[in-house]
Amino acid sequence: DSGVTQTPKHLITATGQRVTLRCSPRSGDLSVYWYQQSLDQGLQFLIHYYNGEERAKGNILERFSAQQFPDLHSELNLSSLELGDSALYFCASSYRAGGTGELFFGEGSRLTVL
Amino acid sequence: AQKITQTQPGMFVQEKEAVTLDCTYDTSDQSYGLFWYKQPSSGEMIFLIYQGSYDEQNATEGRYSLNFQKARKSANLVISASQLGDSAMYFCAMREPLSGYSTLTFGKGTMLLVSP
Repeated sequence: DSGVTQTPKHLITATGQRVTLRCSPRSGDLSVYWYQQSLDQGLQFLIHYYNGEERAKGNILERFSAQQFPDLHSELNLSSLELGDSALYFCASSYRAGGTGELFFGEGSRLTVL
Repeated sequence: AQKITQTQPGMFVQEKEAVTLDCTYDTSDQSYGLFWYKQPSSGEMIFLIYQGSYDEQNATEGRYSLNFQKARKSANLVISASQLGDSAMYFCAMREPLSGYSTLTFGKGTMLLVSP
């Protein structure tokens, strides 16, 4: 158990809909990262928050947004969903931003868009 | 250009044998870190081992070791005495530079199957 909690574990929805994925980082971790894993694209970095502030953006679509709250949990909002958004979405946390420490990953939220 | 290249889509090994999973990387930074993660069929990402660009010795963690060849920009994972539970997807990742708000960039992965 990495200590990172993601909900929901599975989500099935229809095209055009909006969903929110939630992440609770390990106790004390200030950094939260979101990654998308799909068969064709592999593991793609989406966005990084450190202590409530956005610090880096990767290949995140404009239809996607995220935030980190004062209690350090984070939410990833996916809107106007398309079939191609079906993927496993990971949240990962670490105490620092950058550095030599590894990222601790949650179990992921598997999104299926029908 | 790909930052992390894992050229082996799949590898087969017999139980108790050693196996090497290849990883090459591309960076112009002097300070970077290389990570290996394991993803079993259940889906979670499990951290295995880390090597820093300034580390003079190859990293080891139990049955895992990292064969770091800086001049060749390679960071191969060696699993000694393979076990059935080692069957999983293995990802090589890099953070560059180590300072600031850098993130991990992952390779496409190598599927390892361990047979009895």
